[in-house]
Amino acid sequence: EAQVTQNPRYLITVTGKKLTVTCSQNMNHEYMSWYRQDPGLGLRQIYYSMNVEVTDKGDVPEGYKVSRKEKRNFPLILESPSPNQTSLYFCASSPDYPIPIYEQYFGPGTRLTVT
Amino acid sequence: DQQVKQNSPSLSVQEGRISILNCDYTNSMFDYFLWYKKYPAEGPTFLISISSIKDKNEDGRFTVFLNKSAKHLSLHIVPSQPGDSAVYFCAASAFTNQGGKLIFGQGTELSVKP
Repeated sequence: EAQVTQNPRYLITVTGKKLTVTCSQNMNHEYMSWYRQDPGLGLRQIYYSMNVEVTDKGDVPEGYKVSRKEKRNFPLILESPSPNQTSLYFCASSPDYPIPIYEQYFGPGTRLTVT
Repeated sequence: DQQVKQNSPSLSVQEGRISILNCDYTNSMFDYFLWYKKYPAEGPTFLISISSIKDKNEDGRFTVFLNKSAKHLSLHIVPSQPGDSAVYFCAASAFTNQGGKLIFGQGTELSVKP
């Protein structure tokens, strides 16, 4: 089944404790992206990757890191999480055609709480 | 500064009637626009898109209209069905200049009543 998977689905952590949220897609998509969803703010893009080893900042990259060492995986790293990073996170991927930002396939989301 | 705005947080429509969801943008460099639908506890799913060279795109019950001079787009759902009840996000990209960056609006929660 074609899908985007994220792990963990739920995470409660403390301020400053490094964490990684994994994202994997099995559709051989070139483009991958991370978003956070907050009430009243909609979805905001954190980072995106047009291809392996190519990553770029979205609208709200501060406090996050990403890497794209292989096509299928795009982990989101919070080196020192803070309470304002409490949010619902989505990973997405899309094929290169017609253009990468078109039909993105989203994962089920990761609910992160930082205390 | 919110470059893509959905000013109506919610909309309630009777089944069978038309639903019109609106979206305004400020960046004249945006050249692609998309609508996504989101059910609770699920990731968003792609609905329909339009490029800036068009002013209308239709897919079944869903039609997106783009008014570039007013920097406004709208999504029409006709006829509305209870299964359409969800949060709808519009999104915009200046793909030609900014590659994969995508800006979403705040979302509009549509409720279709039987």
